[in-house]
Amino acid sequence: GAGVSQSPSNKVTEKGKDVELRCDPISGHTALYWYRQRLGQGLEFLIYFQGNSAPDKSGLPSDRFSAERTGESVSTLTIQRTQQEDSAVYLCASSQLAGAYNEQFFGPGTRLTVL
Amino acid sequence: KNEVEQSPQNLTAQEGEFITINCSYSVGISALHWLQQHPGGGIVSLFMLSSGKKKHGRLIATINIQEKHSSLHITASHPRDSAVYICAVRSGEYGNKLVFGAGTILRVKS
Repeated sequence: GAGVSQSPSNKVTEKGKDVELRCDPISGHTALYWYRQRLGQGLEFLIYFQGNSAPDKSGLPSDRFSAERTGESVSTLTIQRTQQEDSAVYLCASSQLAGAYNEQFFGPGTRLTVL
Repeated sequence: KNEVEQSPQNLTAQEGEFITINCSYSVGISALHWLQQHPGGGIVSLFMLSSGKKKHGRLIATINIQEKHSSLHITASHPRDSAVYICAVRSGEYGNKLVFGAGTILRVKS
């Protein structure tokens, strides 16, 4: 596709369950970023990938959060044992390279609601 | 204190007005981004700049590196400009990630 896609667009889950969120970046983009936006708050960085490796995981809020990327393409963000405070919109972005002067293209986000 | 400060937090304007949104940051940066987030959540990158000024249609972005300040201007504002405008910076001090301001909620009334 032409842009970054994410699935599912909406996810409602019960507290304690695991969820997987998927991001398909723009083809050929080597850098991929995950962000979180809680209701009424600003965007927070979670993790970024350069190729299949993650040089910066500093934004992951706890060890319940993990992410992987395969084939320098699709990335999955996994949240284990979800808590209500994990409710947020999870946004993925990709850029051609990871450098500072590379524009990031954002996906539509996955809205996660933990009951 | 946030690393990236935006002002105002909320802005209501009448159609046709000239609008300015400000962004200040506290560290040396390599690039500054202006993003637009529409109701429904989609985010679009408007500008990426490291010096000077950029213009795209009715939007103008300026940056003053010495003063650590950037402005986003909208000329001849229109109700379709209503959105959240977000400033974000990249700096060696933050690694390779974007650090975001809290956003400015703009509403343009017809």
